[in-house]
Amino acid sequence: NAGVTQTPKFQVLKTGQSMTLQCAQDMNHEYMSWYRQDPGMGLRLIHYSVGAGITDQGEVPNGYNVSRSTTEDFPLRLLSAAPSQTSVYFCASTGSGGGILSGNTIYFGEGSWLTVV
Amino acid sequence: AQTVTQSQPEMSVQEAETVTLSCTYDTSESDYYLFWYKQPPSRQMILVIRQEAYKQQNATENRFSVNFQKAAKSFSLKISDSQLGDAAMYFCAYRRNPYSGGGADGLTFGKGTHLIIQP
Repeated sequence: NAGVTQTPKFQVLKTGQSMTLQCAQDMNHEYMSWYRQDPGMGLRLIHYSVGAGITDQGEVPNGYNVSRSTTEDFPLRLLSAAPSQTSVYFCASTGSGGGILSGNTIYFGEGSWLTVV
Repeated sequence: AQTVTQSQPEMSVQEAETVTLSCTYDTSESDYYLFWYKQPPSRQMILVIRQEAYKQQNATENRFSVNFQKAAKSFSLKISDSQLGDAAMYFCAYRRNPYSGGGADGLTFGKGTHLIIQP
């Protein structure tokens, strides 16, 4: 099915470990982004990309790294995991919608639950 | 930087009644999109309704409608004939139009409103 696929869905890390959250979309979307959601908060932007080879920082980029070597993939790397990075992570991609909701249509992955102990 | 404020952490409404969720935002841009997302306990992000800033007409989607006041930077969501399935967290979000050229991308979210439906 078309959409945004995030893996893994659940992960437990030890402090100091590194890992990569994968995000892939098959809709040829130009724009992709990563968010984290903490308790009592809305989603906050970590990094975004406006096309292959182009990335930039969002609101909370510290401790995370991204790259965009292809249009389809936008992995998020945790360089040295800390308990403060325990969160739910969402990847999103953007295309152009139609119909009654004309304009931008943003597709979200199902989220990745990360616990750092 | 843009900010989005949802001043109601929690709202409660009787089933079949109408409820309005508030959202205000701050931006220096003139071309942008506003969204309401529903998030059930599964954490899935479900688009409820979207508004383009250049459109004066308020968006409507079945029982959901918005009151978009561009000058006041207000974007409230009205849910009519509330149903038990409407219970969830609701997030207001802003995105500048990336096709207008230059600048950053990504959504800015409010902190959310927890909507409770009383049977």
